Parts: sequence; structure tokens; C-alpha cells
Amino acid sequence: RKEVEQDPGPFNVPEGATVAFNCTYSNSASQSFFWYRQDCRKEPKLLMSVYSSGNEDGRFTAQLNRASQYISLLIRDSKLSDSATYLCVVIRYGGSQGNLIFGKGTKLSVKP
Amino acid sequence: NAGVTQTPKFRVLKTGQSMTLLCAQDMNHEYMYWYRQDPGMGLRLIHYSVGEGTTAKGEVPDGYNVSRLKKQNFLLGLESAAPSQTSVYFCASSPLRVNTGELFFGEGSRLTVL
Repeated sequence: RKEVEQDPGPFNVPEGATVAFNCTYSNSASQSFFWYRQDCRKEPKLLMSVYSSGNEDGRFTAQLNRASQYISLLIRDSKLSDSATYLCVVIRYGGSQGNLIFGKGTKLSVKP
Repeated sequence: NAGVTQTPKFRVLKTGQSMTLLCAQDMNHEYMYWYRQDPGMGLRLIHYSVGEGTTAKGEVPDGYNVSRLKKQNFLLGLESAAPSQTSVYFCASSPLRVNTGELFFGEGSRLTVL
């Protein structure tokens, strides 16, 4: 089993829809969690951190479920500009510096 | 506002040729990384550096070498390119150990090995 797994999609949704992505992680030592966004043929950029209590940034809500070892990203009122690939990122502490693990990404396509 | 700059952005090589990718950051970051991104594989760490003069292996280091002679630069070398090294290469930097989860990425370098 991969350490970080995501549904690759694509998720094709109409403008205004609500869409949710899940990401599961296998290592219970994972401590920190993030969502990155990557536009087509561009570099990844940090979208938001994921806190245990859940957190919201405008139309975006991130949640963490440690018991079931997954994180989620909810996008409300989808915009055309939300079309991108969303990468789940997990950090494990206690190892080397190279312990930031990227998921393969979930592709979102928002249609008019 | 340069941030992280990678050169070259595109390159086509023949099998067996060598080349160096240059990453430069102007944010005075301690940590620098080289990733490769392939379809269906996600981002995989090749090598990283926690400071000037130091380097370490990541998940997929074979076939690559790196050097960090200056704090602002991190070079990725391919001594004898192979078709399996066709990929998009991303350099990234962070100010501290990545507790905040934020890496600053360059725009990527697309390498094709024929």
C-alpha cells in the first residue's frame, strides 16, 4: 500500500457545485498534513494546511480524521479557476529531512 | 520577485549525454530539494540539501548527482542520461525544516532523453 493515496479522478463538475476529495495515509506516525494545488504544466503551490480541528479558507474546507487516517478537501461553489490537480501532502517527523510525502494528485475539472 | 529559478526550462538529450540543471533561490533558504514528476507517479524526491556544502539522497537518487557549493544554488547532474530519466524536474526550497509544509517550487524543467 502506498503511503499516501488519492483518487486520481478526474472529477468533472459544473460551476457552482460542491466537490470533495479524500486522501488516505498509511503511516500513523504522520504528523502534519497539507493540500497543494498544481495547475496544468505549472509548479505545485501550497493551498492550505490541515489542522486536527478542521479549518476553512473561503470556499475551501480541510479536515483531518486521525482515527481513520484520512484528510479531506471540500470546495464549495466551484469556479472555473478551481480546475487543477490537488495534491495531498503528509509529513512524518523523526526521520530525515526528506520526509515530506506527496500523493499523486486528484484532478478537478470545473465546467461552465 | 524571482523566488526559485530553474534553468534550462526545456532540454532534449540523447542517451548517454550529460547535463546539469541549475536551481537558484534568492530567499536565503537553508533547505533545497530536487523532485521529479512523472505521469501517474506523483512527485518523488531525488536529492535534497539542508545547507551549503551538504547533500543527501532522497527516494530516487540513482543516476543523479547534486552539489550545493553556494547556499543559493543547488545543481542536479545527469552523468549519462537514460530514457527513464525523461521527466519534469522541480526544484524547491524552504527556510527551515518543513514543519510548515510550505515548499517554494521553481517552474520546472522538462527533460526528454531520446
